[in-house]
Amino acid sequence: RKEVEQDPGPFNVPEGATVAFNCTYSNSASQSFFWYRQDCRKEPKLLMSVYSSGNEDGRFTAQLNRASQYISLLIRDSKLSDSATYLCVPSLRGGADGLTFGKGTHLIIQP
Amino acid sequence: NAGVTQTPKFRILKIGQSMTLQCAQDMNHNYMYWYRQDPGMGLKLIYYSVGAGITDKGEVPNGYNVSRSTTEDFPLRLELAAPSQTSVYFCASTTLGLAGRTQYFGPGTRLLVL
Repeated sequence: RKEVEQDPGPFNVPEGATVAFNCTYSNSASQSFFWYRQDCRKEPKLLMSVYSSGNEDGRFTAQLNRASQYISLLIRDSKLSDSATYLCVPSLRGGADGLTFGKGTHLIIQP
Repeated sequence: NAGVTQTPKFRILKIGQSMTLQCAQDMNHNYMYWYRQDPGMGLKLIYYSVGAGITDKGEVPNGYNVSRSTTEDFPLRLELAAPSQTSVYFCASTTLGLAGRTQYFGPGTRLLVL
């Protein structure tokens, strides 16, 4: 089983819609969880850190289910600028010895 | 703060040439990382460092070397460039946050080996 599994998409979503991604992880010892976004040919940028059961920041909500080993990201009222690849990143030891990135989920917001 | 800076932005190498990718951060982070990202793929860890003078291998270290003489700088060396090393290279540094270590990435170096 891969360390991180995400539906690569692309998800084509109309502007203003709500979209959700799921991510499953294999290592139950993962302590910290991150969602990064990566624009085409750019560096990854941290979107959210996830601790305890979840986190919310404006239009973005992340939820963690440790029992089922998955993390979700919900984007409400999607904007054209939300078009990007979203990377789910679980980590051991808070990522001190590096992070494991999957291919991510590609989101396209359509006008 | 400039954050994490990388030079050069883009480079073309011939097979067998060598080069050093530069990475610097001004946030006084102890932890620094080098990743590579091939087209359509996720980032893979090449090397990392937990402080000046200390480095360790990541998932794909073959063909690369690193050094960490100062907290600020973490250069990546390619000794004998091969076409398989064509990739985008990202340097990152990290600080401890509420949920663990938040990694900040540089803008990347695009390397083409012909």
